[in-house]
Amino acid sequence: AQSVTQLDSQVPVFEEAPVELRCNYSSSVSVYLFWYVQYPNQGLQLLLKYLSGSTLVKGINGFEAEFNKSQTSFHLRKPSVHISDTAEYFCAVSDVWGAQKLVFGQGTRLTINP
Amino acid sequence: KAGVTQTPRYLIKTRGQQVTLSCSPISGHRSVSWYQQTPGQGLQFLFEYFSETQRNKGNFPGRFSGRQFSNSRSEMNVSTLELGDSALYLCASSRDVDQPQHFGDGTRLSIL
Repeated sequence: AQSVTQLDSQVPVFEEAPVELRCNYSSSVSVYLFWYVQYPNQGLQLLLKYLSGSTLVKGINGFEAEFNKSQTSFHLRKPSVHISDTAEYFCAVSDVWGAQKLVFGQGTRLTINP
Repeated sequence: KAGVTQTPRYLIKTRGQQVTLSCSPISGHRSVSWYQQTPGQGLQFLFEYFSETQRNKGNFPGRFSGRQFSNSRSEMNVSTLELGDSALYLCASSRDVDQPQHFGDGTRLSIL
């Protein structure tokens, strides 16, 4: 079984500042890793995914994440945030055999202050 | 290209009733998964259907069931509703294994 821990429930940052949202996972098998964003009253939108290959993954809206197998982490970063990035961010994991069964972290609420 | 469509968007029911939620996947997607989102438990996997067969199942009671039709559309049914079933129910579709899931905007179910 897999589990995901998002280390911060809330992250406030100023506009144009950099941000890092932390995610650690636990699994006894190989995994796929994902970051999703949820805006109010909407579903989840895929930001980026790690399936295999390069450990640095680039996604939409200027976000990127780095897969670190030794530290079982998949932290999400953006060098300069915008007001429109205010949302809830979810890290998720699935094993490579049951890739449609996502296990999510509890989410990190990112608040951008002007 | 149309996204994942869930109907209805909002639903109010009373305890003991049953409810059916509908999900139309993205065209060409054969896998449909369902998730429950609550403030206390977060996002939890309910089940996944592929080519009309349940392929994965989460840890929910038997009151929660689903099915998938030949056109890949899926329905989820909850019987004997309880107050704790109040949640946002999200549907996601994908082409197949190792393909990322695309989510709909969800159905918000409120139990009175």
